[in-house]
Amino acid sequence: GQQLNQSPQSMFIQEGEDVSMNCTSSSIFNTWLWYKQEPGEGPVLLIALYKAGELTSNGRLTAQFGITRKDSFLNISASIPSDVGIYFCAGREIDGGTYKYIFGTGTRLKVLA
Amino acid sequence: EAEVAQSPRYKITEKSQAVAFWCDPISGHATLYWYRQILGQGPELLVQFQDESVVDDSQLPKDRFSAERLKGVDSTLKIQPAELGDSAMYLCASSFGTSEQFFGPGTRLTVL
Repeated sequence: GQQLNQSPQSMFIQEGEDVSMNCTSSSIFNTWLWYKQEPGEGPVLLIALYKAGELTSNGRLTAQFGITRKDSFLNISASIPSDVGIYFCAGREIDGGTYKYIFGTGTRLKVLA
Repeated sequence: EAEVAQSPRYKITEKSQAVAFWCDPISGHATLYWYRQILGQGPELLVQFQDESVVDDSQLPKDRFSAERLKGVDSTLKIQPAELGDSAMYLCASSFGTSEQFFGPGTRLTVL
């Protein structure tokens, strides 16, 4: 099945550093979402973006909906150990009157204390 | 806080056996999704329900997988017979109207 391209695939950073990751698609979306998944758990919604160019924050997390509607970015400032996990982007589209979600390949984040 | 419930959380089975997973969406959520997540990848849609109707099962391997949501509330996903390649996390998610989807904790399936 289709998956969006996320980069980087993995990151090892020091506690306190800022993190940036992005997600690209060959097709446009009207909504972009970012999820975090911890081992053995389901993804948890972090941020949803609804408009091209939109910049939205959730605590230390900031995400942007790309102007072309084909990409999105997630930044985490001043990382802490509990930021460890896999971050997934998802594009949402309407298909046949219902919403469908296409997920990225994930960015695995490890924070060294 | 309302949550999507899934059971079992873990399942180990031998190939050729039948397995079933259960999902109870957030109350009032009409749309229910089943995803398969292979280790190291993002979730991929298997089947999507709107109330009791299937709206997308194009990626469901219908020779061995089946899904139902008889009363438009909870749902069951079945695999018969299970194969080694079915080992994965099976995730259920639900949504209401234009709201985002929310995931359950998943069922980790291991096929030996």
